[in-house]
Amino acid sequence: DAKTTQPNSMESNEEEPVHLPCNHSTISGTDYIHWYRQLPSQGPEYVIHGLTSNVNNRMASLAIAEDRKSSTLILHRATLRDAAVYYCILRANTGANSKLTFGKGITLSVRP
Amino acid sequence: NAGVTQTPKFRVLKTGQSMTLLCAQDMNHEYMYWYRQDPGMGLRLIHYSVGEGTTAKGEVPDGYNVSRLKKQNFLLGLESAAPSQTSVYFCASSYGGQGLDTQYFGPGTRLTVL
Repeated sequence: DAKTTQPNSMESNEEEPVHLPCNHSTISGTDYIHWYRQLPSQGPEYVIHGLTSNVNNRMASLAIAEDRKSSTLILHRATLRDAAVYYCILRANTGANSKLTFGKGITLSVRP
Repeated sequence: NAGVTQTPKFRVLKTGQSMTLLCAQDMNHEYMYWYRQDPGMGLRLIHYSVGEGTTAKGEVPDGYNVSRLKKQNFLLGLESAAPSQTSVYFCASSYGGQGLDTQYFGPGTRLTVL
């Protein structure tokens, strides 16, 4: 699976937008970009995923670079509950057993 | 709709003891997974199943066995626990296993092996 690179940590202020970057320069044409997050002492939860076009859902937006070598997860108004580890994961769409490989993610802290 | 549940939530074992972790899902998902997460690390896949009666090895399968006798349940067994198996264990399930499928995770089991 192609690898992703994320900063170790990021801080934001409550009620301000947050942009979490992810680099994936070796992405292949069939790789989906997934974002999961893990709140303290909980299991990971799905946030959003995309292939080529920008995506929006009730939790976040995903902006994908035109060359697909990077992407940005956007939280439009951070809340204290958004403090978590966010994982950017590439998932190949080449078969029925596509792995979800977690790195260390980026730790987001939200200041009140 | 409970989603993915795990039993037990916490467990302390002595070296050499055995135990079984139970994962249950009520979403009629075909795929189920067991991961472990060590402090400061991401999740690593132990074993997975693509349907009732099937199992396959993941990234770190040694020391663990699994069974999927019923579609809704996925059991993870430790036959002879070792301190290196101290970790938080997460179960997950998904409808399919392709690149666009979403995995749903349970709350985790915190296991300590003394």
